[in-house]
Amino acid sequence: LAKTTQPISMDSYEGQEVNITCSHNNIATNDYITWYQQFPSQGPRFIIQGYKTKVTNEVASLFIPADRKSSTLSLPRVSLSDTAVYYCLVGSRDDKIIFGKGTRLHILP
Amino acid sequence: DTAVSQTPKYLVTQMGNDKSIKCEQNLGHDTMYWYKQDSKKFLKIMFSYNNKELIINETVPNRFSPKSPDKAHLNLHINSLELGDSAVYFCASSQGIKGDTQYFGPGTRLTVL
Repeated sequence: LAKTTQPISMDSYEGQEVNITCSHNNIATNDYITWYQQFPSQGPRFIIQGYKTKVTNEVASLFIPADRKSSTLSLPRVSLSDTAVYYCLVGSRDDKIIFGKGTRLHILP
Repeated sequence: DTAVSQTPKYLVTQMGNDKSIKCEQNLGHDTMYWYKQDSKKFLKIMFSYNNKELIINETVPNRFSPKSPDKAHLNLHINSLELGDSAVYFCASSQGIKGDTQYFGPGTRLTVL
């Protein structure tokens, strides 16, 4: 399993674009990158998943450089309700999911 | 529509008691999981069942016993509760095993006094 490193916490303001970067230097060929979001008092929720280049959905974008040793979750125009913990996970479909400490994102008015 | 549901949402009990937490998913998934999230917010997998068979069993005290009567249900029974068992317990499900996208329940906050 590739180990991931992401910032412990981040602050931003409403309306800003927020980018959270995750490092995974020993990512394997079969590994893909998945991000989950966890609001207070709720279970984690799947946000986005990708293998390479760029993936975009209605919630976020995921940028993955060619070497795949890092990835960046981009949240456009955040609001107060985006305050949550964001987890970066790396693994293949044969791996069990392991959650790290995540990044605690705090959106300020 | 509730996808993954857990009962109860809150559970307060005394040390030494035995308690159960129930989980049900209506997503038609084959795999279900139990996670424990402690006060430091670490989310750790405890068990995983695929089609009623145990496939992941982390280093968890044998006071914890999962039971899967069918693939839509995975219950967690805890014997002789200890103070350190206080945590939020999340149930989750996925279509495939292990690395597939998981859908989590709302959690059960267990407080052992």
